[in-house]
Amino acid sequence: GDSVTQMEGPVTLSEEAFLTINCTYTATGYPSLFWYVQYPGEGLQLLLKATKADDKGSNKGFEATYRKETTSFHLEKGSVQVSDSAVYFCALYNTDKLIFGTGTRLQVFP
Amino acid sequence: DTAVSQTPKYLVTQMGNDKSIKCEQNLGHDTMYWYKQDSKKFLKIMFSYNNKELIINETVPNRFSPKSPDKAHLNLHINSLELGDSAVYFCASSSVTGSYYEQYFGPGTRLTVT
Repeated sequence: GDSVTQMEGPVTLSEEAFLTINCTYTATGYPSLFWYVQYPGEGLQLLLKATKADDKGSNKGFEATYRKETTSFHLEKGSVQVSDSAVYFCALYNTDKLIFGTGTRLQVFP
Repeated sequence: DTAVSQTPKYLVTQMGNDKSIKCEQNLGHDTMYWYKQDSKKFLKIMFSYNNKELIINETVPNRFSPKSPDKAHLNLHINSLELGDSAVYFCASSSVTGSYYEQYFGPGTRLTVT
């Protein structure tokens, strides 16, 4: 079945460092891809999305590009802030279901 | 205004009890979901309702019974609670006129079974 694999965390960075969180997927057909973010004590929020190959999703300084050839959707940010500390979930939508990765915790220190 | 709300936020109960979690959305969406997030943050869909009809029912024990009285509400009733039911349960909603995948999540209900 369809699945999403994310790098294990936690990812610990200093403020203004460059962030990459890797995500790869396995799916039949042409899924849509997403990054969701969960801040402490809150529900998930959609961060960005890409619906077809080579699309780049972006929001709040975060970016991810839908790479069909490598089945990847890595999340990047050029300069992280303490307020970016959260759990980040990569997800795909296919056959009526959102399937999530296991989440990657990001901790940013001043 | 809260878009997707859940009650209660925290629920502590003993094994064998029956409990309910309520969810309401004021977004005008026609599809609602229940997810379970375990202690390792793994998030998995349990149920999905579209216009009060069940459309997704993952492999969930039949002790869990969702009920949708109308499009804006989706409740989750759990019978004979077990230790393994301890988790955070999230409600979500989406709209067929928008995008099924753009789901809006509630704040979660942390269920602890002792």
